Amino acid sequence: GENVEQHPSTLSVQEGDSAVIKCTYSDSASNYFPWYKQELGKRPQLIIDIRSNVGEKKDQRIAVTLNKTAKHFSLHITETQPEDSAVYFCAASHYDKVIFGPGTSLSVIP
Amino acid sequence: KAGVTQTPRYLIKTRGQQVTLSCSPISGHRSVSWYQQTPGQGLQFLFEYFSETQRNKGNFPGRFSGRQFSNSRSEMNVSTLELGDSALYLCASSSGQGYNEQFFGPGTRLTVL
Repeated sequence: GENVEQHPSTLSVQEGDSAVIKCTYSDSASNYFPWYKQELGKRPQLIIDIRSNVGEKKDQRIAVTLNKTAKHFSLHITETQPEDSAVYFCAASHYDKVIFGPGTSLSVIP
Repeated sequence: KAGVTQTPRYLIKTRGQQVTLSCSPISGHRSVSWYQQTPGQGLQFLFEYFSETQRNKGNFPGRFSGRQFSNSRSEMNVSTLELGDSALYLCASSSGQGYNEQFFGPGTRLTVL
């Protein structure tokens, strides 16, 4: 069945450093790749997404890259801040069937 | 617009019982998806309903079922509860046209004793 792997499971960085989270997916039909941030005790919220016909997308300090051939996609957060601390989920979607990765717990140390 | 709402927010049941959870999507959204969230397994996809039809299904046993009404509200039912069903159940709504952000509800915390 469809599967999304995500690494690392935990990540700790100093404030101001960059953080990178990597995902791979198995379903070749996936054409939409959202990233969600979930703060403790809160619901997941979309932070950025990318469609399969785009290789890279950036929004301020956040960027995503997609390699469809290799079925890899990554989230890059630059100039990390303490409020970036949360669990981040990558996902691969095809017609609203969204399969999530297991999540990365990011801690930004002031 | 009002956000996605879920009721009840908390439930305690015993093994063997059944439970029904409810989700009201954002007005105008026709797709509702359900997820099970546990600390060790992340967000597991249960199923997705669009215009009252189950359009997508995850890999959960038949004890997990759902339905969607004409106003797009959705319910999820779990029969013969097991201890392992204890989890946060999240629903999410979207327009259902693909490439669309899913908006999550606050979840229902189910505890099975």
